[in-house]
Amino acid sequence: RKEVEQDPGPFNVPEGATVAFNCTYSNSASQSFFWYRQDCRKEPKLLMSVYSSGNEDGRFTAQLNRASQYISLLIRDSKLSDSATYLCVGIFSGGYNKLIFGAGTRLAVHP
Amino acid sequence: EADIYQTPRYLVIGTGKKITLECSQTMGHDKMYWYQQDPGMELHLIHYSYGVNSTEKGDLSSESTVSRIRTEHFPLTLESARPSHTSQYLCASSPKGQHRGGYTFGSGTRLTVV
Repeated sequence: RKEVEQDPGPFNVPEGATVAFNCTYSNSASQSFFWYRQDCRKEPKLLMSVYSSGNEDGRFTAQLNRASQYISLLIRDSKLSDSATYLCVGIFSGGYNKLIFGAGTRLAVHP
Repeated sequence: EADIYQTPRYLVIGTGKKITLECSQTMGHDKMYWYQQDPGMELHLIHYSYGVNSTEKGDLSSESTVSRIRTEHFPLTLESARPSHTSQYLCASSPKGQHRGGYTFGSGTRLTVV
């Protein structure tokens, strides 16, 4: 079983829609989680960190549920420019604090 | 403005050639990483370093090797390129301590071995 699992999508949504992605992780000895965004043929870029208390950055809300071992990302009022692959990423204790990437969820926002 | 640089951006090379992919960062980060990513697939860690003269193999076995002689420089070398090495190689770095800021990635090198 992969350490970080995501629904690959694609999620096809109209502009203005609200869309939510979930991600599950198998290693309970987790430290930190992030959402990264990766555009086609580009490098991943940090979108936001994820905190247990939940955190918001504009139209984006991230949530971590340690009891159920899942992370969520909510995007409100989707824009065409939100079209990308969203990577769920975790750091697990043991080893050297390496980032473990999920395979990503593809989002396509259409007019 | 990028703080981590990878060259070349694209490379097409024949089988059997030796290649070195360059990665340099100007942020003074101690930790550096190499990831491999095939189109539409997840990133796999192939090498990492926690500082000068420190290198470790990642989770995905790779025939490549790395060196870390200077903090800012983390090159990756393939002694004899093969078509199976065709992929995108992404370099990243992070500061010492908690990963509150995540990683900073370079733009990647897209390698094609013919």
